Amino acid sequence: EIVLTQSPATLSLSPGERATLSCRASQSIGSYLAWYQQKPGQAPRLLIYDASNGATGISARFSGSGSGTDFTLTISSLEPEDFAVYYCQHRSDWPLTFGGGTKVEIK
Amino acid sequence: EVQLVESGGGLVQPGGSLRLSCAASGFTFSSYAMNWVRQSPGKGLEWVSTIINTRTYYADSVKGRFTISRDNSKNILYLQMNTLRAEDTAVYYCSRPMTTVVASLFDCWGQGTLVTVSS
Repeated sequence: EIVLTQSPATLSLSPGERATLSCRASQSIGSYLAWYQQKPGQAPRLLIYDASNGATGISARFSGSGSGTDFTLTISSLEPEDFAVYYCQHRSDWPLTFGGGTKVEIK
Repeated sequence: EVQLVESGGGLVQPGGSLRLSCAASGFTFSSYAMNWVRQSPGKGLEWVSTIINTRTYYADSVKGRFTISRDNSKNILYLQMNTLRAEDTAVYYCSRPMTTVVASLFDCWGQGTLVTVSS
């Protein structure tokens, strides 16, 4: 089973600041990594797939990068609606797994 | 508009069974793989199961206890859950992938149904 480790667990930032979230895989997963955003009481929303492709309707301030074992989600300038929990997920092989999440909170 | 509506959750005793349903609309259900993902209270996301045509895949934590199935004539996805444990307590989400080609990108989600396993 591929383990995804996200860091940091919590990121405290102010609106307008840049957010950098990390996801590390226990073995190479190529570019088969996705990022999701989840707000309290809501289902997750797909943001980025295959490491760097934006899902439909996602703002350009969200970008993804990386390959192999190290991946990054960047939010270029935080808007109030971006404060949420972010999860990474691989689709390299079965079983699929998610990372533990990074909470982006208002400083 | 794509809609996924889960039902069937509730309170069940340890060792009991429950069947979840996910009613799909707004797309050609039979063309897509379908998934179940769960989230324990206050915890992260956990993939549970995927069905691709007749092929099925399960997380190790539910293998042998849960069965995913679908009725394409009714546009319904199911999750039969047997021998339930306290650690199966979670909100269960039904999810459709982004395209008909890739099964494991969770693009459309239902609102979830809560399963509580407790005596």
